Amino acid sequence: GAVVSQHPSRVICKSGTSVKIECRSLDFQATTMFWYRQFPKKSLMLMATSNEGSKATYEQGVEKDKFLINHASLTLSTLTVTSAHPEDSSFYICSISPDSYEQYFGPGTRLTVT
Amino acid sequence: AQSVTQPDIHITVSEGASLELRCNYSYGATPYLFWYVQSPGQGLQLLLKYFSGDTLVQGIKGFEAEFKRSQSSFNLRKPSVHWSDAAEYFCAVGPNTDKLIFGTGTRLQVFP
Repeated sequence: GAVVSQHPSRVICKSGTSVKIECRSLDFQATTMFWYRQFPKKSLMLMATSNEGSKATYEQGVEKDKFLINHASLTLSTLTVTSAHPEDSSFYICSISPDSYEQYFGPGTRLTVT
Repeated sequence: AQSVTQPDIHITVSEGASLELRCNYSYGATPYLFWYVQSPGQGLQLLLKYFSGDTLVQGIKGFEAEFKRSQSSFNLRKPSVHWSDAAEYFCAVGPNTDKLIFGTGTRLQVFP
């Protein structure tokens, strides 16, 4: 199966600052990547679909100006949380679906905004 | 509305005992159904999936699940649980493999 990495695994930032999370597909070219958010004791919520070379598609209710997604290459997508606030603290997970058979998930990034 | 319900937030079983994790869904059409397992520090791993055909599907690590259309259920089972099965389990549905809707998860604890 595909291997997906995320960096960093944990990040703490101050309120008002921006933080970037990287998602890399290590052994597949991924024209599409997915970004999820997972709240404690809650399910994963699809935030957006990242499309290589074009704009991301955001799910309803997700602020595109708050969560900037860039998919500049076939192996890298980044999620930037801008002007982060404590309510943005969460577990962010990316995934790819290279064969339309299943999704392969990264290990996640724990964001804490103080 | 499309949704997935996992009624059991937390389940505790003894090692060697059988296991059943419940999943009910609400979906307009015949969905793609998935069970994923999440261990600390690791990404979600696919245990099994159902697209069509035989309603009893076999997965990795000795897991199986049965699709019951009449009950809108896709329960996960394992005849004998191992301590290494302790993890968070998620049921998910979708129109394909992309736009998945996840349940809230069931945390499995295994006692020796």
